[in-house]
Amino acid sequence: EAGVAQSPRYKIIEKRQSVAFWCNPISGHATLYWYQQILGQGPKLLIQFQNNGVVDDSQLPKDRFSAERLKGVDSTLKIQPAKLEDSAVYLCASSSAAYGYTFGSGTRLTVV
Amino acid sequence: EDQVTQSPEALRLQEGESSSLNCSYTVSGLRGLFWYRQDPGKGPEFLFTLYSAGEEKEKERLKATLTKKESFLHITAPKPEDSATYLCAVQHPGGGADGLTFGKGTHLIIQP
Repeated sequence: EAGVAQSPRYKIIEKRQSVAFWCNPISGHATLYWYQQILGQGPKLLIQFQNNGVVDDSQLPKDRFSAERLKGVDSTLKIQPAKLEDSAVYLCASSSAAYGYTFGSGTRLTVV
Repeated sequence: EDQVTQSPEALRLQEGESSSLNCSYTVSGLRGLFWYRQDPGKGPEFLFTLYSAGEEKEKERLKATLTKKESFLHITAPKPEDSATYLCAVQHPGGGADGLTFGKGTHLIIQP
């Protein structure tokens, strides 16, 4: 099966600017996750969607981060305004009962 | 709160020199313990899921084991291509929220 697609691969922005990341999960996977991985750390869950509904967003900094999953397929994660500490790799993952979790290659964000 | 601690942070081995990576966890009601491999610039790649104490799984030179408090990833006669960061994660136990809590990883280098 095709993997989880993410774009862009890299993004450099100045602090206080806004940025958006896109994720296309594996076809048929109802559950989609966004993780933040800071250099030298393990991934940290930001938000989980089941179809187009939010299941868990307890660790999402809602004052600046937002995410949506329209029609239960693609998803976008937005940061507005960005801070220096948001520099990280943003990973999207999808899962199904049969195949478990599959991660995309991520978007590397640098905030300068 | 779920906690995952991996040790050592980094490990350098000679080709063929077997060793073990440790993952200690605290979670109320373990649903699953996951091992992933992550290469530079890529997303985590699934290796194993363990569900109950005493369970073991093997894949090529890797063997994962689980107790009530920790998991080990044993690497037998490693090759340079086994060099990567190995991540351990536990699955959240509650309801429909099934995201993962990751440790910081063990950076493994296998020297020829």
